[in-house]
Amino acid sequence: ETGVTQTPRHLVMGMTNKKSLKCEQHLGHNAMYWYKQSAKKPLELMFVYSLEERVENNSVPSRFSPECPNSSHLFLHLHTLQPEDSALYLCASSQAARGYTEAFFGQGTRLTVV
Amino acid sequence: TQLLEQSPQFLSIQEGENLTVYCNSSSVFSSLQWYRQEPGEGPVLLVTVVTGGEVKKLKRLTFQFGDARKDSSLHITAAQPGDTGLYLCAGRPYNTDKLIFGTGTRLQVFP
Repeated sequence: ETGVTQTPRHLVMGMTNKKSLKCEQHLGHNAMYWYKQSAKKPLELMFVYSLEERVENNSVPSRFSPECPNSSHLFLHLHTLQPEDSALYLCASSQAARGYTEAFFGQGTRLTVV
Repeated sequence: TQLLEQSPQFLSIQEGENLTVYCNSSSVFSSLQWYRQEPGEGPVLLVTVVTGGEVKKLKRLTFQFGDARKDSSLHITAAQPGDTGLYLCAGRPYNTDKLIFGTGTRLQVFP
């Protein structure tokens, strides 16, 4: 069983659409993260949740809205995105948000905004 | 801005060759990790180094953490096509809880 599972694997959406990315972790971790991976850029941390509370928001535009209903599930709600938001969106989890050293990643959702 | 710079950015080699990838920063890190990412997949953790000067070996891969805890290297001996992928270093600077990632090294090993 995969530790961190993301769905869908691929998503194509128009700029006026609303969609959601889903992440589920089966590792018993308390912290979950959203990262954005664009071509020729380092992985960018977007949001950090610890025990279902958002503890980090890295100046992410409001068209990205995270939700963490429990410590095992994380969502990223998308609306009125721009073509430059096309990227691989990666979910990760770790035992804790503070002092954590290792993150375990899902396979990512390849998002294309048209 | 705390950056982790990796070099080289791209590397294409023949099977059997040796290579070294570097990860450098001006910041001090409490620990450093190396990940490998294959196309269409998420990064997979290879190793964590914690102590300055620490050396860890994982089969043909040797990881070293710099004495000053600002840099790390990954050495691959006798590279194989299965080593192909994007290698990422990542670390948590002392003055932050964020795990930041390096710029990445894309390795291609040809048979």
